[in-house]
Amino acid sequence: GESVGLHLPTLSVQEGDNSIINCAYSNSASDYFIWYKQESGKGPQFIIDIRSNMDKRQGQRVTVLLNKTVKHLSLQIAATQPGDSAVYFCAESPGRRALTFGSGTRLQVQP
Amino acid sequence: GAGVSQSPSNKVTEKGKDVELRCDPISGHTALYWYRQSLGQGLEFLIYFQGNSAPDKSGLPSDRFSAERTGGSVSTLTIQRTQQEDSAVYLCASSFLNEKLFFGSGTQLSVL
Repeated sequence: GESVGLHLPTLSVQEGDNSIINCAYSNSASDYFIWYKQESGKGPQFIIDIRSNMDKRQGQRVTVLLNKTVKHLSLQIAATQPGDSAVYFCAESPGRRALTFGSGTRLQVQP
Repeated sequence: GAGVSQSPSNKVTEKGKDVELRCDPISGHTALYWYRQSLGQGLEFLIYFQGNSAPDKSGLPSDRFSAERTGGSVSTLTIQRTQQEDSAVYLCASSFLNEKLFFGSGTQLSVL
């Protein structure tokens, strides 16, 4: 079946740098995309979402970019902080069906 | 409640025993989901309840797994005759109209 995947399993950045986490999706019917952050021993926490009628959406220090042409989603974190260290998951949903999650990218922030 | 509550937080059981995992969703949320997460892996969809509609059971791995949602609120995930490969964190989430899922902290299930 169709799935969501990630390009980089582990990303290491220096504190203060910007981070970019990428995600490829294959379900062309997906119209809703979402990013989650998961810290060790905790459930995933919502970061930001975007609908397919948008290309970009900004939150506090985070930006999600959607490129429907190449079925690519990215999460940008500005001025990365040690507290941003976690596993990040993208997820997609076609037509209000249950979210399908990717396998995750671990972000390591070096002080 | 303030968030999604799951119980127990940890469950250790013997192979072949049945287990029940409980989820209390956020009040007013219409949708409830169960996911499974193996160590270091992503989230595997199990089952999804939306309002009074028939649940989407397409992710349940075998007929040993079942779930119900009573009164449109609390949900119980039951695993019968547990196997070692069932060991994982079982995550429950709820949402309003299938957006912005809010997750509980999960139940860590260990089958010995």
